[in-house]
Amino acid sequence: GAVVSQHPSWVICKSGTSVKIECRSLDFQATTMFWYRQFPKQSLMLMATSNEGSKATYEQGVEKDKFLINHASLTLSTLTVTSAHPEDSSFYICSARGDRGKAGGLGYTGELFFGEGSRLTVL
Amino acid sequence: LAKTTQPISMDSYEGQEVNITCSHNNIATNDYITWYQQFPSQGPRFIIQGYKTKVTNEVASLFIPADRKSSTLSLPRVSLSDTAVYYCLVGSGGGFKTIFGAGTRLFVKA
Repeated sequence: GAVVSQHPSWVICKSGTSVKIECRSLDFQATTMFWYRQFPKQSLMLMATSNEGSKATYEQGVEKDKFLINHASLTLSTLTVTSAHPEDSSFYICSARGDRGKAGGLGYTGELFFGEGSRLTVL
Repeated sequence: LAKTTQPISMDSYEGQEVNITCSHNNIATNDYITWYQQFPSQGPRFIIQGYKTKVTNEVASLFIPADRKSSTLSLPRVSLSDTAVYYCLVGSGGGFKTIFGAGTRLFVKA
């Protein structure tokens, strides 16, 4: 099946530094990728939708200047946590929608493939 | 976007069939229903997707009644390794946003 890879899988940084997380679709092109954040024992929270060649669309309450998203190619989206602080420590997950449709009725929806996640710890 | 409601947690024993029901009363005509599984410190993994009636694959079945206001994920003969959080999502279109609900935490006991 399609694979989405994230790097790094874990990172520890000092408060005030910036951290970049990469999300790659390895065997398919993804015009749209999604970034999530997940705190312990909680569900995934959608942060933003990353669109290839255009600006990301951020969810309400997510600071776009804090979480910089770049989707420069059809296989790579990056999330940069700028001036990270301890409260930014979390599990960050990306996903990309595959180009295969699923049978079953009206319309079309591609399967969503998720990366392995990146655990950020800010000291 | 249709909101989903699932039980917060469920317990089961190895070898049993587990059915997890999700309510999505506001599902739209073009919406599909997709279930994902997530283990700790991993990204979610696709389990099954359907639009109506019944869908079956090698790991699960998905039952969707005619009104499509709910769906039931059925896991046959669960094992300890099926202990995970299961999410039901509803949406349509190639670029629809995937909004996760709280999910159901399944704990399989020996």
